[in-house]
Amino acid sequence: DQQVKQNSPSLSVQEGRISILNCDYTNSMFDYFLWYKKYPAEGPTFLISISSIKDKNEDGRFTVFLNKSAKHLSLHIVPSQPGDSAVYFCAASDSGGSEKLVFGKGTKLTVNP
Amino acid sequence: GAGVSQSPSNKVTEKGKDVELRCDPISGHTALYWYRQSLGQGLEFLIYFQGNSAPDKSGLPSDRFSAERTGGSVSTLTIQRTQQEDSAVYLCASSFGAGIETQYFGPGTRLLVL
Repeated sequence: DQQVKQNSPSLSVQEGRISILNCDYTNSMFDYFLWYKKYPAEGPTFLISISSIKDKNEDGRFTVFLNKSAKHLSLHIVPSQPGDSAVYFCAASDSGGSEKLVFGKGTKLTVNP
Repeated sequence: GAGVSQSPSNKVTEKGKDVELRCDPISGHTALYWYRQSLGQGLEFLIYFQGNSAPDKSGLPSDRFSAERTGGSVSTLTIQRTQQEDSAVYLCASSFGAGIETQYFGPGTRLLVL
């Protein structure tokens, strides 16, 4: 049973446009969400996070939106750059339970020049 | 400062052999995690260490898998009698403390069991 789902395995956008990566979760106990970026042959790199007490968190070109009622979050990258091409993982945790992160399968983003 | 380091970066072994994977967390981080990523899958939690507390082993897939953390720093993940399905990238992460803390990942060890 996948508790964190990233239904789009890949996404392709043009440089300068917006990239929107989506993530759905099923466990209502999750209250902290993170996005990681992963380049080939490297470990995941933390990108941005959001607590369930917020519905938006912004850091430069990256914004994460959380819709708790829909159990959905999204990562917006504006403007997209070729260097953003990577696999993006959504992760969630239950702060009242285990500290482990539950990951989605990832979305491969390609930003075309 | 230095990030999380893992060794070896790649490991090829024969089915039935034992392997040891090493993780050096970021200095000062008290929490350490092991995950693995099989081909086409997301990261799967294996085990979590926090300070001197008993580790959370709930993600270990079988009793062939074990891990220890010596002196609250370096950790070793051991896989005994490896099977082909153990082939994956094994990732270690550390964080400053328990609770909601960002986990920082190492580059991983790519394990191939022939």
